[in-house]
Amino acid sequence: GAVVSQHPSWVICKSGTSVKIECRSLDFQATTMFWYRQFPKQSLMLMATSNEGSKATYEQGVEKDKFLINHASLTLSTLTVTSAHPEDSSFYICSVAGGSHEQYFGPGTRLTVT
Amino acid sequence: DAKTTQPTSMDCAEGRAANLPCNHSTISGNEYVYWYRQIHSQGPQYIIHGLKNNETNEMASLIITEDRKSSTLILPHATLRDTAVYYCIVRVGTGGFKTIFGAGTRLFVKA
Repeated sequence: GAVVSQHPSWVICKSGTSVKIECRSLDFQATTMFWYRQFPKQSLMLMATSNEGSKATYEQGVEKDKFLINHASLTLSTLTVTSAHPEDSSFYICSVAGGSHEQYFGPGTRLTVT
Repeated sequence: DAKTTQPTSMDCAEGRAANLPCNHSTISGNEYVYWYRQIHSQGPQYIIHGLKNNETNEMASLIITEDRKSSTLILPHATLRDTAVYYCIVRVGTGGFKTIFGAGTRLFVKA
């Protein structure tokens, strides 16, 4: 299956600052990527669908101006958490959609906002 | 909303088979059953998927009832490393469709 990496694996930032998380598909050209958020002891919550070369589609209740997604190439999507607050502290996971059935997940990025 | 119902948690003895049930009574004809698992603090890992026939791979077996309203994931010889949250997901088969996760089943494999 496809190898998906995320960078950084963990990050600590101060309240009010912005943080960028990268998701890379290392061996697969991904026209579609997904971003998820997971709070402790909870399931993954889909935030948005990222399509290469077009605007992301956000799930209901997710603020698009706060969580900026850029999918500029077939191997890279970025999620920027703007003006981060402690309640944005979470585990952020991206996934890459394969041609058929496959969906490969990254290892996740743990964000802590102090 | 997730279209599946799973038990919150299950225990299994190491070396024994782990049978994880899933109800998906509203599954549509073009929807597949997928199983993923998530080991603590890692991204989800694909296990297996099926449409209506039983499926087996090197990780697990998937048994789907004839009416497709439920399924069972079988880990034939559970090890301690199989301790994880297991998610049963129903969705159409093309990879570009978003995957919605339910609460999953927390499997504890005990020595």
